[in-house]
Amino acid sequence: RKEVEQDPGPFNVPEGATVAFNCTYSNSASQSFFWYRQDCRKEPKLLMSVYSSGNEDGRFTAQLNRASQYISLLIRDSKLSDSATYLCVVSANFGNEKLTFGTGTRLTIIP
Amino acid sequence: EPEVTQTPSHQVTQMGQEVILRCVPISNHLYFYWYRQILGQKVEFLVSFYNNEISEKSEIFDDQFSVERPDGSNFTLKIRSTKLEDSAMYFCASSELGRSNEQFFGPGTRLTVL
Repeated sequence: RKEVEQDPGPFNVPEGATVAFNCTYSNSASQSFFWYRQDCRKEPKLLMSVYSSGNEDGRFTAQLNRASQYISLLIRDSKLSDSATYLCVVSANFGNEKLTFGTGTRLTIIP
Repeated sequence: EPEVTQTPSHQVTQMGQEVILRCVPISNHLYFYWYRQILGQKVEFLVSFYNNEISEKSEIFDDQFSVERPDGSNFTLKIRSTKLEDSAMYFCASSELGRSNEQFFGPGTRLTVL
């Protein structure tokens, strides 16, 4: 089983729509969770950390389900600039530990 | 906004040659990392570095690889004898000391081994 598993997509979504991505992780001891975005041939950029209680940052909402080892990202009112690959990322501990990346889900927002 | 910088942006080398990739982490960060991403694949952890020593390394980080913090600002990755399969994007990242583990990535160095 992959350590972090994501649907690779692509997701082609009209501008203004809501889109949701899911991710599962295999290590039940994982403690830190993140969503990064990566534009083509660029570095991963931190989008948001994911907290146990769920968290929201503008149009973005992240949820964590530890029992199911499942992380989600919801993007509301999608914009053309949201087109990117979204990377689900976990690490084993809270501290300064290696990040384990999923392969990413590719999103294209269509005008 | 402070950012991680990396040089060069693109390095082309012949198989068997040594390369050094350079990074300047964010100035108040204490943890440094190298990751790589082979074209079309996921980002993979190579090594983490704290207090002038390696904290953790992956299976990829074999004897051909080494890291160094030669001065107060630079963090380098050396590949002693490059192989074709070392061709990838190499990302440097840094993080503050603390619980959040939020890591910030540099723009990467594209290494092409011929």
